[in-house]
Amino acid sequence: AQSVTQLDSQVPVFEEAPVELRCNYSSSVSVYLFWYVQYPNQGLQLLLKYLSGSTLVKGINGFEAEFNKSQTSFHLRKPSVHISDTAEYFCAVSEGNRDDKIIFGKGTRLHILP
Amino acid sequence: GAVVSQHPSRVICKSGTSVKIECRSLDFQATTMFWYRQFPKQSLMLMATSNEGSKATYEQGVEKDKFLINHASLTLSTLTVTSAHPEDSSFYICSAPSPRVGTEAFFGQGTRLTVV
Repeated sequence: AQSVTQLDSQVPVFEEAPVELRCNYSSSVSVYLFWYVQYPNQGLQLLLKYLSGSTLVKGINGFEAEFNKSQTSFHLRKPSVHISDTAEYFCAVSEGNRDDKIIFGKGTRLHILP
Repeated sequence: GAVVSQHPSRVICKSGTSVKIECRSLDFQATTMFWYRQFPKQSLMLMATSNEGSKATYEQGVEKDKFLINHASLTLSTLTVTSAHPEDSSFYICSAPSPRVGTEAFFGQGTRLTVV
């Protein structure tokens, strides 16, 4: 069965500084990988996804992530954060089967410091 | 594009009553849907897989008699929280696999349940 590890429960970063949110996954088969963002008291919004092809994927709001199969990682990055990026970020994985469930990591709270 | 609609978005109920949450796939059919629960400041935990025309598959530790799932049609799955208690207060969210192979699933807007 697949699993996702987000080692950092909270990441504080100054506004306009770069940020990396770490995600490692475990699966015995090929996977689909996702990053979702959840703003306070709201639902999920898909930031980006890796399904196949290029290992560097670009998403909305200036975020990007790189799929690294050898390190089983899918870290999320942004070169310059804004106060509006304050939110909870979830890394997620599914096993690539169309009907397969999505498993979420515990989440990382991005805290932007003024 | 394909959308999943979840209703209601918020509900407050008295302890001991039951609450039904609906999850509809708009413009596409979903033989499978998933129900998640999110407690405050925690991640989304898969509760169960809803299967059209057959019994739901529950994750370990989820009481199937308390969280009744019905997937009576190809576009509708319902989650009923029976005899709700304050500890059932949570954010419930459903998802359905995309009708297009190789694309991501769609999530409903979520339902915030408060049991008083």
